[in-house]
Amino acid sequence: ELKVEQNPLFLSMQEGKNYTIYCNYSTTSDRLYWYRQDPGKSLESLFVLLSNGAVKQEGRLMASLDTKARLSTLHITAAVHDLSATYFCAAESGGSEKLVFGKGTKLTVNP
Amino acid sequence: ETGVTQTPRHLVMGMTNKKSLKCEQHLGHNAMYWYKQSAKKPLELMFVYSLEERVENNSVPSRFSPECPNSSHLFLHLHTLQPEDSALYLCASSQIGGANGYTFGSGTRLTVV
Repeated sequence: ELKVEQNPLFLSMQEGKNYTIYCNYSTTSDRLYWYRQDPGKSLESLFVLLSNGAVKQEGRLMASLDTKARLSTLHITAAVHDLSATYFCAAESGGSEKLVFGKGTKLTVNP
Repeated sequence: ETGVTQTPRHLVMGMTNKKSLKCEQHLGHNAMYWYKQSAKKPLELMFVYSLEERVENNSVPSRFSPECPNSSHLFLHLHTLQPEDSALYLCASSQIGGANGYTFGSGTRLTVV
């Protein structure tokens, strides 16, 4: 059974700092997704990583995938307050249409 | 309308009521999902419909009854709910074999009183 673990679950950081959120998954999965959720809102797709070594960047966020290590990272560069949200990673369960989500990382960026 | 639309956005119901949540997708997808999100258990997968057939039911109590009349519509029928069922219910859709993951609706915030 595929399991997805994120860490940290809570992250408080200062504006302008860098940090990385980690997403480990337990069984082979070639597709990894990152979502953002603002309080009381739905999940917004951020990145889709489809192959080993994939790297995607959007603004201050960069996501990467290492399928051999079963690890994806979401790197935050020079954080700003607008990035405060909960970030979820999700891996595709092999052979099914099911995405298994991590518990989410609640990010708070302080001025 | 584009994307995935859920109605109502907010719902307050008594434990003896019967209500339905509606989800509609305008993306041409052929798989739809119901998730429950609460403070205690973030993002629990409840039901999966693939090509209008239910392919997964994650030990969800029978007081939740899904219905998928066609590939664009998904319902969640609710009856005799408990206060612990209060949560955000999210609908999502995807294309089988596609590589874009899920598209989520805005959710229905359900409060059971």
